[in-house]
Amino acid sequence: AQTVTQSQPEMSVQEAETVTLSCTYDTSESDYYLFWYKQPPSRQMILVIRQEAYKQQNATENRFSVNFQKAAKSFSLKISDSQLGDAAMYFCAWRYGGSQGNLIFGKGTKLSVKP
Amino acid sequence: DTGVSQNPRHKITKRGQNVTFRCDPISEHNRLYWYRQTLGQGPEFLTYFQNEAQLEKSRLLSDRFSAERPKGSFSTLEIQRTEQGDSAMYLCASSLTQGNYNEQFFGPGTRLTVL
Repeated sequence: AQTVTQSQPEMSVQEAETVTLSCTYDTSESDYYLFWYKQPPSRQMILVIRQEAYKQQNATENRFSVNFQKAAKSFSLKISDSQLGDAAMYFCAWRYGGSQGNLIFGKGTKLSVKP
Repeated sequence: DTGVSQNPRHKITKRGQNVTFRCDPISEHNRLYWYRQTLGQGPEFLTYFQNEAQLEKSRLLSDRFSAERPKGSFSTLEIQRTEQGDSAMYLCASSLTQGNYNEQFFGPGTRLTVL
C-alpha cells in the first residue's frame, strides 16, 4: 500500500524568506504523480504543483518549486519570497499514474507566515 | 461555472439521524470523488464515480454510507444512523478523464458535526 508522510506538523517563515516543506512516500509503483495542495483556512483545497515520476526535472511554478528525489522517495516543496497569503495547510499527495486513481494524502503541514 | 460546489457547508445532527450531502462538479467533468478529512489529518478517499458508475469504494465506506450519481452530474453522499466518529469534513472533487493526468478540483467541503 502507498503511504505519504509529512514529518513537520507546523512550520513558520518570515515574510519574503524561503521555507521548505518535507514529504516522503512509499510505493512499489514506477508510474505515479506527486502533488502539493494548499488548503487555506475555511477555503477549498487548490493544487500548487505536480511532478510526474518519470520526469527527472524538478517542477517549478513561479515561487514554488519541488526537490524530487525518486530513489530516496522524497518530494519537498520550496516556497521562495514567502507572502502572507501563503499561510495555509499544505498537503503532499500521491497518485497512481494510470488514468484512474484517487489521491493519497499526508497529514499536512501548517505554514504560518510572519510579517 | 465557478467550480465544484457542495451543500450544505455545515451540518449539525444528533447521533442516530440520517444526513445527506450534495456535490455539484464542474459541468464537463465526468469523474467525481468523495473524501473525508478528520481534524489533524489529510483527506482520505471514500469513493469515486465515472459518469453514473461507482467504480471504487474504500473500506472506510461502511454499510451506513451510500453514494449516488444518478445522471452523471451531481452526486449525493448519505450517512445513515450517524455516529460521533462520523464528524468530519466531507470533500468532493471532480476531474476530466482525458489523458493520464487529470487534475482533481476540490469543493469547499461539508463540515459534519454529530452530537
